[in-house]
Amino acid sequence: DIVMTQSPDSLAVSLGERATINCKSSQSVFHSPNNKNYLAWYRQKPGQPPNLLIYWASTRASGVPDRFSGSGSGTDFTLTVSSLQAEDVAVYYCQQYLISPRTFGQGTKVEIK
Amino acid sequence: QVQLQQWGAGLLKPSETLSLTCGDYDGSFNNYFWTWIRQPPGKGLEWIGEINNTGGTNYNPSLKSRVTISVDTSKSQFSLKLRSLTAADTAVYYCGRGHAGAWEVVAYWGQGTLVTVSS
Repeated sequence: DIVMTQSPDSLAVSLGERATINCKSSQSVFHSPNNKNYLAWYRQKPGQPPNLLIYWASTRASGVPDRFSGSGSGTDFTLTVSSLQAEDVAVYYCQQYLISPRTFGQGTKVEIK
Repeated sequence: QVQLQQWGAGLLKPSETLSLTCGDYDGSFNNYFWTWIRQPPGKGLEWIGEINNTGGTNYNPSLKSRVTISVDTSKSQFSLKLRSLTAADTAVYYCGRGHAGAWEVVAYWGQGTLVTVSS
């Protein structure tokens, strides 16, 4: 299995400030035949199912605000929230979908400072 | 907005079988991957498995001996069965549908079903 490790486990950010979450995979999730990184990010607000934010490491899903951006390649990835809003208080997960089982990181809890 | 509807028993006893069904009534049932994911109380997400539009399945090896995912295209539904339950299977179970541009990614989610395993 590919192990996904996120850092930090939690962070507190002031409203309007930047939040950065890192995700590292135990092996590369880059697929050279189509030049794509099989890495997604989700946000899970309390009491709700997760919501897809980013796929292909950097493509925003439909309806996702442009304050969310994804970057990275191979084994190291980053989710950035450029200006944290109150509704961004949540747990964020990365997931690799290159191979089965399609494993998740342990989650990063984002709170307001 | 696509909405998946899931249902099934929420309280089961050890050794029993969990059975959940998810309806995907958006009208394009034949073109996606469908996934089951679970989340123990207060913990992270665990991928259980998926089925594609041709009936091909992938399962998490940690659950593979106990899991069956099936699809009924005539009803636009897919189902999860998990056998020989223990307390460790207590979790919120989610169904999901893949993204049109990245089939294995879950773009749409069911509301979740809390399954409690207790004698």
